[in-house]
Amino acid sequence: QVQLQESGPGLVKPSGTLSLTCAVSGGSISSSNWWSWVRQPPGKGLEWIGEIYHSGSTNYNPSLKSRVTISVDKSKNQFSLKLSSVTAADTAVYYCARDGGKGMDVWGQGTTVTVSS
Amino acid sequence: QSALTQPPSASGSPGQSVTISCTGTSSDVGGYNYVSWYQQHPGKAPKLMIYEVSKRPSGVPDRFSGSKSGNTASLTVSGLQAEDEADYYCSSYAGSRVFGGGTKLTVL
Repeated sequence: QVQLQESGPGLVKPSGTLSLTCAVSGGSISSSNWWSWVRQPPGKGLEWIGEIYHSGSTNYNPSLKSRVTISVDKSKNQFSLKLSSVTAADTAVYYCARDGGKGMDVWGQGTTVTVSS
Repeated sequence: QSALTQPPSASGSPGQSVTISCTGTSSDVGGYNYVSWYQQHPGKAPKLMIYEVSKRPSGVPDRFSGSKSGNTASLTVSGLQAEDEADYYCSSYAGSRVFGGGTKLTVL
């Protein structure tokens, strides 16, 4: 079965760029699915960041669109998130997830990113 | 794009039924049948419980059911069990995805 694993720095300096990767195993990133990023600040709810299809098509949360880039690397079977100009408000658990058109049915375990100097 | 509106909390005794509402607009919940529900236990990743308003993924107990009327979707948990205590989030998709604020379900 498909599994997702997030990786990346756990600490990012303010005004810097947060970069995370989600490795897809047990299946192909070129399958008919959208691949999403979702985050959850400490003690708060879920926030959708955006999604990408293997063709490179993307959709972003309008409130984050100016700072977000999601890309796909089919050769490595992974997709990535870059969030620029980060502040403490971007501190959160970041999840990657698969959306096959029936909701997000496969999730990574999540990775905690703290924005602090 | 505003978050969908959920009650912050809900509760019920074991064996009872509880319904959690999720209110949006005609541009999201009311306009499309792309409402999904997620269960999240503390420290864990969310789990898909309902998709396309009322469909259950394989492995989700039939105690969980979903419905929609106008701009409001609902998740009903019947025959409450202790393990149902968790946070529940609704979500709608209409070109971009939006989540509700979440509802903490307590089993008394």
